[in-house]
Amino acid sequence: AQKITQTQPGMFVQEKEAVTLDCTYDTSDQSYGLFWYKQPSSGEMIFLIYQGSYDEQNATEGRYSLNFQKARKSANLVISASQLGDSAMYFCAMSLRGAQKLVFGQGTRLTINP
Amino acid sequence: NAGVTQTPKFQVLKTGQSMTLQCAQDMNHEYMSWYRQDPGMGLRLIHYSVGAGITDQGEVPNGYNVSRSTTEDFPLRLLSAAPSQTSVYFCASSYSTGPTYGYTFGSGTRLTVV
Repeated sequence: AQKITQTQPGMFVQEKEAVTLDCTYDTSDQSYGLFWYKQPSSGEMIFLIYQGSYDEQNATEGRYSLNFQKARKSANLVISASQLGDSAMYFCAMSLRGAQKLVFGQGTRLTINP
Repeated sequence: NAGVTQTPKFQVLKTGQSMTLQCAQDMNHEYMSWYRQDPGMGLRLIHYSVGAGITDQGEVPNGYNVSRSTTEDFPLRLLSAAPSQTSVYFCASSYSTGPTYGYTFGSGTRLTVV
């Protein structure tokens, strides 16, 4: 069965520090995609970054990077130089070939302290 | 582009009432889906559609109906609302399905059933 696990229900980080949000996944498929979404208090789901299972390089998007370790089945999100506006809920999700859905983790609530 | 538009943003229903949550996208996406978000459970798929006239059930379809008469619209109907359907509902669309296609989410509908 396909599953995403986010083991950190909440994290507190000082402004300007880097933060790593953990995500592990479980699938026997060789072709899959991994996504991170941000959900601020306003409620919308904002796409942050994508990593394909065949991508050899770790994905980066501005201050966001994805630490993809295929053998460990982990896809951690790294936010560099955190800002107060990064305070939000973060979801890791996976899509599979032929699957009609995203599988979501339970989320991590990140709080950035000034 | 408006992206994915959901209406209403908030709704309070009495047990037993019916209603329709609206979802429209203007990106010519073939794939549309409905998720519900409950605390501590991430997002779970209710129903999805891979094109006009084609719908199928997701993980938690009971109590909900969908139809897809046009590419643009994918309404979600609650037949007889129950308190267990209190949740935040997201509509999402994608150009296609599979590991490389990202999803665009609507801003959500917060539904309370009393």
